[in-house]
Amino acid sequence: ETGVTQSPTHLIKTRGQQVTLRCSSQSGHNTVSWYQQALGQGPQFIFQYYREEENGRGNFPPRFSGLQFPNYSSELNVNALELDDSALYLCASCLQMNTEAFFGQGTRLTVV
Amino acid sequence: ELKVEQNPLFLSMQEGKNYTIYCNYSTTSDRLYWYRQDPGKSLESLFVLLSNGAVKQEGRLMASLDTKARLSTLHITAAVHDLSATYFCAVDIIAGGGADGLTFGKGTHLIIQP
Repeated sequence: ETGVTQSPTHLIKTRGQQVTLRCSSQSGHNTVSWYQQALGQGPQFIFQYYREEENGRGNFPPRFSGLQFPNYSSELNVNALELDDSALYLCASCLQMNTEAFFGQGTRLTVV
Repeated sequence: ELKVEQNPLFLSMQEGKNYTIYCNYSTTSDRLYWYRQDPGKSLESLFVLLSNGAVKQEGRLMASLDTKARLSTLHITAAVHDLSATYFCAVDIIAGGGADGLTFGKGTHLIIQP
């Protein structure tokens, strides 16, 4: 158990819709990162939040956005869903920036 | 752009045998991680390697890091079926304190047969 929980565990959406995925980090972990893992691939970095502000972003379009809240929870929002957005979405939290990351169990998103 | 390459990508081996998974990365890194992932599950942290020459062992798994060669290895000794999983290495770069996240390899899908 890493103390990082994600909801929901599975989700099916239709192309063009919007989705919000949630993550609850360990208490005191003020850094959260989100990753997308397509089937058969390694996770890819989407973005990172530190103290409620985005401070790093991978190669993902602006329709991927996020929020981090003071209670160590965070959200990943994806607008205008595309079929290629189907993947396992992982959040990871760290005590401080650039310390070891602990991953949640993931949300499996299927876009049809 | 940081690249992380693992090989092999697929490995089928018999119980009791030894094998090594290799992880090469393309630029200077401060830390290297090894993770295990079971089908449909999240990532389980195995090792964090912080310096040149670091070696860590847990059970039948041993990881090492050579920062000069930009190479890490994950060695499996006397494999057992329970070690069947996908193994990822990941690298992070502290670039002036910036947040670039972890860069992962494509993973090594390991099947251990009786």
